[in-house]
Amino acid sequence: DAGVIQSPRHEVTEMGQEVTLRCKPISGHNSLFWYRQTMMRGLELLIYFNNNVPIDDSGMPEDRFSAKMPNASFSTLKIQPSEPRDSAVYFCASSPLPFGRRLAGELFFGEGSRLTVL
Amino acid sequence: AQTVTQSQPEMSVQEAETVTLSCTYDTSENNYYLFWYKQPPSRQMILVIRQEAYKQQNATENRFSVNFQKAAKSFSLKISDSQLGDTAMYFCAFMKQSSGSARQLTFGSGTQLTVLP
Repeated sequence: DAGVIQSPRHEVTEMGQEVTLRCKPISGHNSLFWYRQTMMRGLELLIYFNNNVPIDDSGMPEDRFSAKMPNASFSTLKIQPSEPRDSAVYFCASSPLPFGRRLAGELFFGEGSRLTVL
Repeated sequence: AQTVTQSQPEMSVQEAETVTLSCTYDTSENNYYLFWYKQPPSRQMILVIRQEAYKQQNATENRFSVNFQKAAKSFSLKISDSQLGDTAMYFCAFMKQSSGSARQLTFGSGTQLTVLP
């Protein structure tokens, strides 16, 4: 399997522009997570989906952030309008349904999208 | 709410030596999982080792082992025979055991480990 695929790997944009980050989870995984990593705040969960349905979006910073999962193989995280404080590495991760206890908890991460907002 | 604390921002170890990374957590849950993830310079997070809270036996994966002290809420990672490729940021993480949909990880702030030649 190719693993979790994220694009773009790097994005540099100007304040006020719309940014769309994309994620393709591992085939067969039913949960998808978006995390943000910064030096100041570490790794923060933004939102996660189970079976394409958003379960908890309490980590989404504000209304400028939105996430969708239109099908089991694709998710987007959109920031509109972007601001310099949104600069971070954004990770997508997927996870299979727990199979007994053995697989429970393992998240498979993509390589992240580094966003710089000037 | 759960919190995970890693009190060592940076550590270094000589190649082939042993190093221990510390992690403490706070939770009112009785059933949960603990993890150590590794983030090398390539940025991708990789699972190193997992511990189920209901198990008293400490988890081991080759050169990696944990010291899980449930009463003390402590979960340290020991790396034996350190290799240059172990250089990375290491994150301790917590997840509630749930049969439902709440399966998110809470991460600590990380420990940057450098293995010196």
